[in-house]
Amino acid sequence: DAKTTQPPSMDCAEGRAANLPCNHSTISGNEYVYWYRQIHSQGPQYIIHGLKNNETNEMASLIITEDRKSSTLILPHATLRDTAVYYCAANFGNEKLTFGTGTRLTIIP
Amino acid sequence: DADVTQTPRNRITKTGKRIMLECSQTKGHDRMYWYRQDPGLGLQLIYYSFDVKDINKGEISDGYSVSRQAQAKFSLSLESAIPNQTALYFCATSDLDGGTTNTGELFFGEGSRLTVL
Repeated sequence: DAKTTQPPSMDCAEGRAANLPCNHSTISGNEYVYWYRQIHSQGPQYIIHGLKNNETNEMASLIITEDRKSSTLILPHATLRDTAVYYCAANFGNEKLTFGTGTRLTIIP
Repeated sequence: DADVTQTPRNRITKTGKRIMLECSQTKGHDRMYWYRQDPGLGLQLIYYSFDVKDINKGEISDGYSVSRQAQAKFSLSLESAIPNQTALYFCATSDLDGGTTNTGELFFGEGSRLTVL
């Protein structure tokens, strides 16, 4: 399984776009990139996932580089409720989803 | 009611005691997982099961055992608890990857906080 690395923390002003990076340089061709977030100590929640193409849903956008060695999760208009720990993970077909240590995102009013 | 239910939510026990954490799900998923979370270390996979007859070790299985009693139930046991097993434990489920509409999303329970004194 690919290892993922993320910055430990980031701040973002409320209303601005939050861009959270993730490196997964050892990802293989059939491994998906997943993003989850965890608010306080609740169970993590799925945000989005992708393989090669950029993806967008109602929560966020996922930008994957052409070589697939890194990706960026974009929260387009961050709100205070987006303050959480964001985890990048990679696997194949969800057999063994391996999480990184996450980025603690703080939205500043 | 939650789709993935963990019991107990909080437990304090002593070194050497046997502890069982239980997980049940109403989502009808075949795959179930146990993760451990320590502060600053993210989520680590302990065991996972693809169906009732399939059990696999994860990254940190030493000191733990599991039982898949039914499709809906997956229990984690600590045969002889030790203080460094103090952590937040999460159960998760996912659907068997079988179609283009399957996101492979993991559904997590609310966690079981275990303290071993």
